[in-house]
Amino acid sequence: DIQMTQSPSTLSASVGDRVTITCRASQSISTWLAWYQQKPGKAPKLLIYKASSLEGGVPSRFSGSGSGTEFTLTISSLQPDDFATYYCQQYNSYPYSFGQGTKLEIK
Amino acid sequence: EVQLVESGGGLVQPGGSLSLSCAASGFSFSSYDMNWVRQAPGKGLEWVSYISRSDSTIYYADSVKGRFTITRDNAKNSLYLQMNSLRDEDTAVYYCARDLGGYYGPWGQGTLVTVSS
Repeated sequence: DIQMTQSPSTLSASVGDRVTITCRASQSISTWLAWYQQKPGKAPKLLIYKASSLEGGVPSRFSGSGSGTEFTLTISSLQPDDFATYYCQQYNSYPYSFGQGTKLEIK
Repeated sequence: EVQLVESGGGLVQPGGSLSLSCAASGFSFSSYDMNWVRQAPGKGLEWVSYISRSDSTIYYADSVKGRFTITRDNAKNSLYLQMNSLRDEDTAVYYCARDLGGYYGPWGQGTLVTVSS
């Protein structure tokens, strides 16, 4: 099974900051990676798929990159609505798996 | 508007059974593969099960294999999860999610399953 590891687990930042979250896979997953945003008490929301493709309606300040085993989610200029928990997910092979999450907090 | 609405959650004793439903609307349900994903309280996301659009292909996580059964009724635009031999560690919010090619969107609002004596 493929293990997904995100870092950091918690990130404190301010509005306007540029932030980067890293996701590492235990083996190569090509670019079969998605990123989700989840707010407390709500369902996850798809942000990015195939490592760098932006889902429709998602602000362009979100971007993804990477291939193989290392991936990043970048938010270019944090907005108040962006404080949430972010998860990566590999869909290279079953069982599909998620990272443990990165909680983005207000500094 | 694409919408998924789960129902059927509740409190059940260890060893008991529960059946979850997910009602889909706003899209051609029969054209999409579907999934169940769960989230234990305060924890991360765990994929549970997948069913193809024609239910010809089904996958389960090892943690639920042999205990859970995923089905769908395309005529009723509905997805189901039959959960038997429930354990404490099955306590979670269960989400249904449309499969877009291995990644998921949208997700339902979730239904809470609590396994406790």
